[in-house]
Amino acid sequence: GAVVSQHPSWVICKSGTSVKIECRSLDFQATTMFWYRQFPKQSLMLMATSNEGSKATYEQGVEKDKFLINHASLTLSTLTVTSAHPEDSSFYICSASPSGIYEQYFGPGTRLTVT
Amino acid sequence: DQQVKQNSPSLSVQEGRISILNCDYTNSMFDYFLWYKKYPAEGPTFLISISSIKDKNEDGRFTVFLNKSAKHLSLHIVPSQPGDSAVYFCAATSGSRLTFGEGTQLTVNP
Repeated sequence: GAVVSQHPSWVICKSGTSVKIECRSLDFQATTMFWYRQFPKQSLMLMATSNEGSKATYEQGVEKDKFLINHASLTLSTLTVTSAHPEDSSFYICSASPSGIYEQYFGPGTRLTVT
Repeated sequence: DQQVKQNSPSLSVQEGRISILNCDYTNSMFDYFLWYKKYPAEGPTFLISISSIKDKNEDGRFTVFLNKSAKHLSLHIVPSQPGDSAVYFCAATSGSRLTFGEGTQLTVNP
């Protein structure tokens, strides 16, 4: 149980375009979803926390207009990288929780490359 | 600043021996600590955790030790198995978010 999927697993896009990444909890209802970003050889950095039906809470330094997060249902959250630039190239991982930060189930991640 | 640090990017041990993975933190407000294991192309999976009111928590082959005065925790795996080869992340929280270390790649050689 407690499976979280992400789609796509990898994506290449051109600079200036937008990319949407989906995060789904497959066998439980996620009241909270988290979006992380990981650079090579570095830790997972929390970008934002979203609760179903409400606006996401962004971490300091994360541009909310650039990284649009929608948590429209208890099983789906999306991250849209708008007007992507090469510096947005990274590994994006979501996690979902039925109960809060202590119980997070992670997706496999999405590798974004912006050319 | 990096509030959670794993200073060893890699560790190699022989099958059957003990693996010790270390993690240091700087924020004294952290009161809960977790270890995650990550295989390539998969998301991190929860392994074991410890509250700041304890100094040891054991689950099968995995034991986590917490030294609050030194702001240090360690994960012991004994006996180590080849299937334990993965990246191990420690994480800490004071209740609002998880803060992760950089990870340590553990390789268990048969």
